[in-house]
Amino acid sequence: GNSVTQMEGPVTLSEEAFLTINCTYTATGYPSLFWYVQYPGEGLQLLLKATKADDKGSNKGFEATYRKETTSFHLEKGSVQVSDSAVYFCALSLYNQGGKLIFGQGTELSVKP
Amino acid sequence: DTAVSQTPKYLVTQMGNDKSIKCEQNLGHDTMYWYKQDSKKFLKIMFSYNNKELIINETVPNRFSPKSPDKAHLNLHINSLELGDSAVYFCASSQPRRGETQYFGPGTRLLVL
Repeated sequence: GNSVTQMEGPVTLSEEAFLTINCTYTATGYPSLFWYVQYPGEGLQLLLKATKADDKGSNKGFEATYRKETTSFHLEKGSVQVSDSAVYFCALSLYNQGGKLIFGQGTELSVKP
Repeated sequence: DTAVSQTPKYLVTQMGNDKSIKCEQNLGHDTMYWYKQDSKKFLKIMFSYNNKELIINETVPNRFSPKSPDKAHLNLHINSLELGDSAVYFCASSQPRRGETQYFGPGTRLLVL
């Protein structure tokens, strides 16, 4: 089946620390990959995405590269800020399955000043 | 301008009641979705409609009935509410193309007492 596995949280970092959140996937086809972010009490916002192997998605200092050989899409940021505190979701979609998003379990990030 | 809106934002009700959640998008998208987020923040697809036609129904109890009067609206009606229905329900929309971003509403927080 199709699934996404993320590293478990919560993750607590000091401001300006380096962030990595691991994400691996299993898919029966050729998925598109996404990172969504959910701030407290809000809906989900797209952070970045990649639709083919070796593509790098980037936004607001966050980056992730679509690695087909390792079926991974790890999220990185060089220097986190307090305002990055949120829950981060890795997800995949398959066009031939109606485009639904299949989510990982979410990783809560807390950044301390 | 709100892209995807949901009403109500909060819903507190008794077991056995029937309730509806409404969703509207002004992005001109053809596809709309309902997702359920449980207390551990895990997100799972429930339904998807493309141009008013049901295309995804993910083993959801038949107490849940989606209705799409037009492609800008997707409502969710829940009969005979149970304690386990307590969750946050998110509506989303996108174009039906590979890798398209889904835009999420702010969520409806349902509490069944």
